[in-house]
Amino acid sequence: SQQGEEDPQALSIQEGENATMNCSYKTSINNLQWYRQNSGRGLVHLILIRSNEREKHSGRLRVTLDTSKKSSSLLITASRAADTASYFCATDGGGNEKLTFGTGTRLTIIP
Amino acid sequence: DAGITQSPRHKVTETGTPVTLRCHQTENHRYMYWYRQDPGHGLRLIHYSYGVKDTDKGEVSDGYSVSRSKTEDFLLTLESATSSQTSVYFCAISESGQGAETQYFGPGTRLLVL
Repeated sequence: SQQGEEDPQALSIQEGENATMNCSYKTSINNLQWYRQNSGRGLVHLILIRSNEREKHSGRLRVTLDTSKKSSSLLITASRAADTASYFCATDGGGNEKLTFGTGTRLTIIP
Repeated sequence: DAGITQSPRHKVTETGTPVTLRCHQTENHRYMYWYRQDPGHGLRLIHYSYGVKDTDKGEVSDGYSVSRSKTEDFLLTLESATSSQTSVYFCAISESGQGAETQYFGPGTRLLVL
């Protein structure tokens, strides 16, 4: 079964707007990662947040983590056409070697 | 795609035939993974390897077997392909397999079982 569930499943916004997508998970974690997948390609790592962190930034990306609600959000600011992709969260089951991926949010940036 | 290749990139096969997918890495990473990606399910782990000849099952391992005879190669075999195994298959690698570690993905193999 999926550990993470992304919300919304699909999101379309105008270029320049901010995009927010959410991930909810079921069990305790040590780390949560976000990945991007462009159409027809493999996944690419974006950012990692640890369970003792509440917020993390990387360029135009901002990730938050609320372990009490078992949820994370990914904010992409000032979106660009190149941000069009699917975004996945991935959680570890408390530090083991296997990541469990969510079902993804498909983001479309309208020029 | 960080020194990871998958072959073939596309394959069409018939139900009941065996199929082998290959993942090759040039990064000398210890851990290698096979995932399948299906609409509505995201990525699901099939098998993974933590060293030469060391493998373990993932979430959806039934109907699949793997082998790793060299650090750089990880093979996924569908012993007798079924239509439910139509999917996109991704190989991934990581250095130590810890949950805090980035996984690097190959470009994927599209498999159609008729």
